[in-house]
Amino acid sequence: DTGVSQDPRHKITKRGQNVTFRCDPISEHNRLYWYRQTLGQGPEFLTYFQNEAQLEKSRLLSDRFSAERPKGSFSTLEIQRTEQGDSAMYLCASSRGQWNTEAFFGQGTRLTVV
Amino acid sequence: GIQVEQSPPDLILQEGANSTLRCNFSDSVNNLQWFHQNPWGQLINLFYIPSGTKQNGRLSATTVATERYSLLYISSSQTTDSGVYFCAAGPNSGGSNYKLTFGKGTLLTVNP
Repeated sequence: DTGVSQDPRHKITKRGQNVTFRCDPISEHNRLYWYRQTLGQGPEFLTYFQNEAQLEKSRLLSDRFSAERPKGSFSTLEIQRTEQGDSAMYLCASSRGQWNTEAFFGQGTRLTVV
Repeated sequence: GIQVEQSPPDLILQEGANSTLRCNFSDSVNNLQWFHQNPWGQLINLFYIPSGTKQNGRLSATTVATERYSLLYISSSQTTDSGVYFCAAGPNSGGSNYKLTFGKGTLLTVNP
């Protein structure tokens, strides 16, 4: 399977704990995105990497959130001191090239904070 | 940033019926994608269509970039077409022309 892969698919955590999600993009894609989707809404942009450089962070991404993409390959999204409001589906996407080309999404990680 | 509006928010059909979903966007785009979100939450790519018309089986899409809208047509609907359909647009200008802004989606229910 050469699609975007995310792990874990589901995560239940207690409020105040730290969680980390992983995303493996399509291998030749240099661009990687994280989005968040809450119930009944469309996905909202969180952050963007071009190769290993993080080029934009949304205002939705508080300082409890950090994302990395070492060596321009896989990416991790960490949430520290989770809050109930962090409960959502976290989606990773990737695309290639210089311009706004077609993006492909992974299966998502559903986070529940109890 | 760019605004994306989808209509209708909900649509209920009988199997075999045809439907049209609409997406309006507020700025010129260099990316326009239609997705179907499956029951497990994954976004399935339907069309990458910043302009023009494409067809894939019973589905087709048209984007009129100059008038800032896109349409998704579903013909001879099946129960497996049920789910949420999202439109997402990437602006043609500005510093954030690489990211997608999503509409709120259309919830399609196809009854047998």
